[in-house]
Amino acid sequence: DTEVTQTPKHLVMGMTNKKSLKCEQHMGHRAMYWYKQKAKKPPELMFVYSYEKLSINESVPSRFSPECPNSSLLNLHLHALQPEDSALYLCASSQVVGGRIHTDTQYFGPGTRLTVL
Amino acid sequence: GQNIDQPTEMTATEGAIVQINCTYQTSGFNGLFWYQQHAGEAPTFLSYNVLDGLEEKGRFSSFLSRSKGYSYLLLKELQMKDSASYLCAVSLVDSWGKLQFGAGTQVVVTP
Repeated sequence: DTEVTQTPKHLVMGMTNKKSLKCEQHMGHRAMYWYKQKAKKPPELMFVYSYEKLSINESVPSRFSPECPNSSLLNLHLHALQPEDSALYLCASSQVVGGRIHTDTQYFGPGTRLTVL
Repeated sequence: GQNIDQPTEMTATEGAIVQINCTYQTSGFNGLFWYQQHAGEAPTFLSYNVLDGLEEKGRFSSFLSRSKGYSYLLLKELQMKDSASYLCAVSLVDSWGKLQFGAGTQVVVTP
């Protein structure tokens, strides 16, 4: 099973709303990622978690708040977003072996299409 | 930063072969990924090269030359469903799995 699932598939929210994106994998991967992708652009890394701890924050604004409650789940809490935050949000996961992330196993979920009005 | 270059668009006929080149200039290079992405969908893993040489998987093959900072993805017997964006991505040593993506190559397959 090489599946990463994400919910919801689509989300429309106002600038004052609070919402959360969810990601789940059952491959035993201990590294999980959030990427943001605008139309016709490549994915841009936002956060990396390794063993449920935040390893990388790519200077993402605080209106995006990641959370990794356990080894299978990754959330992205959204608050006071701007219209320019509208994008496809992708979750991915990788194996960690011997304390090192094996990027050869990085698989993406289907993404959440977010529209901020 | 990292510099990853790939052509913007390529057009080929159904049944033909297309080769997508990717060049990179990085320090601490670990390996190179190729992903396929259809419009509005997530990237799908195609291949990962860490050693020099050619890796073949069915109709798709990927080649890497670490000394030249060069990779290519070869698509054979093109089908209409192969019309997609193909993303080259580099991973670095000790980078917590961070991938640096090229801008993507849009492949258009015509009848």
